[in-house]
Amino acid sequence: DIQMTQSPSTLSASVGDRVTITCRASQSISNWLAWYQQKPGKAPKVLIYKASSLESGVPSRFSGSGSGTEFTLTISSLQPDDFATYYCQHYRGSFGQGTKLEIK
Amino acid sequence: QVQLQESGPGLVKPSGTLSLTCAVSGGSISSSSWWTWVRQPPGTGLEWIGEIYHSGGTNYNPSLQSRVTISVDKSKNQFSLKLNSVTAADTAVYFCARVKAGVDDYLDYWGQGTLVTVSS
Repeated sequence: DIQMTQSPSTLSASVGDRVTITCRASQSISNWLAWYQQKPGKAPKVLIYKASSLESGVPSRFSGSGSGTEFTLTISSLQPDDFATYYCQHYRGSFGQGTKLEIK
Repeated sequence: QVQLQESGPGLVKPSGTLSLTCAVSGGSISSSSWWTWVRQPPGTGLEWIGEIYHSGGTNYNPSLQSRVTISVDKSKNQFSLKLNSVTAADTAVYFCARVKAGVDDYLDYWGQGTLVTVSS
């Protein structure tokens, strides 16, 4: 069973900041990784698939990188709408524990 | 546009069985997709429960496997979740979702989620 570990669990930042969230897999998962954004009371929404491919309609300030066991999600310039919780997921398997992005 | 809608009791007694259904519209459950259940206890993160293909093939989270059954009803274009021997730890918002067909197996369509509380 592959475990996914995210860090940090909480991140405080300001509008305009560049932020990075890390996700580590307990064993190699190639690039079979997706990133989701979730807002309170809503279902998650996919941002990135195949570790670095941007889902259609998602702003280009979101980017993903990595392969094997270490992955990152970067938001290049935070916008007010980006304050939410972010999850990584190994395809058709476990999620990371989440990173809550808060306004500083 | 595919839409998914969860339904089922919002309150289940401890030691009972949680039963939910996910109705699929705007697409066929017999398409080349897996169909998934995910849950989220209050204030915490997402947990993958398991998935089913229209042929009936299933995969389950090892931590829940002994208590979970996912089934499909192609005639009604829906799939279902049963979780038995529930405790308060099973209180959560339960989401159904579709795995995108093709090479990239991420969750592209989700239901809005339904809260199930386990309490006497």
